[in-house]
Amino acid sequence: QKEVEQNSGPLSVPEGAIASLNCTYSDRGSQSFFWYRQYSGKSPELIMSIYSNGDKEDGRFTAQLNKASQYVSLLIRDSQPSDSATYLCAVNLSGNTGKLIFGQGTTLQVKP
Amino acid sequence: DAGVIQSPRHEVTEMGQEVTLRCKPISGHNSLFWYRQTMMRGLELLIYFNNNVPIDDSGMPEDRFSAKMPNASFSTLKIQPSEPRDSAVYFCASSLNRANEQFFGPGTRLTVL
Repeated sequence: QKEVEQNSGPLSVPEGAIASLNCTYSDRGSQSFFWYRQYSGKSPELIMSIYSNGDKEDGRFTAQLNKASQYVSLLIRDSQPSDSATYLCAVNLSGNTGKLIFGQGTTLQVKP
Repeated sequence: DAGVIQSPRHEVTEMGQEVTLRCKPISGHNSLFWYRQTMMRGLELLIYFNNNVPIDDSGMPEDRFSAKMPNASFSTLKIQPSEPRDSAVYFCASSLNRANEQFFGPGTRLTVL
């Protein structure tokens, strides 16, 4: 089992819809969770961090964390074509060592 | 404030040559991370430093790879000798402390012929 798993996609949604991106992780002691967006040929860009169970909202983005189920998700409301990118889930291993494990990423396509 | 700076942005070299990648972290950040990204393996942590000290180098693939951080504002990743399978994008990232959010530089695209 991979330490951090994401569906590679592509996930295709129409403009204006809600995009839902999911991630599961294996280290039950993980405390810090991050979502990065990466455009083709560019570097990963941090868009959300979440540390506690529940929802965290920032503009059109909502991160959801369920530590009991070892599951973290990212919702993008009112999806725009400019949101088309690969979204990487990253998990900080137990002990907050600083060692981030990244999922393979989910490619999102928002169609006008 | 300037972000993480990496140089060169692109490097093309021949097998057997030495390659040195450079990184300047965000001012005030005390943790620095080197990653490698390939289509096959995704984004992998190679090594990270906290307060200029290497903490975890378990991701360094072989002895051909080495990294240094002589001061808080500069780090290098060296590959000697380089091989075609080292071709990848190498990212440097920094954070305020090792458990915090990491911010990535623009990356160095390395091609070894």
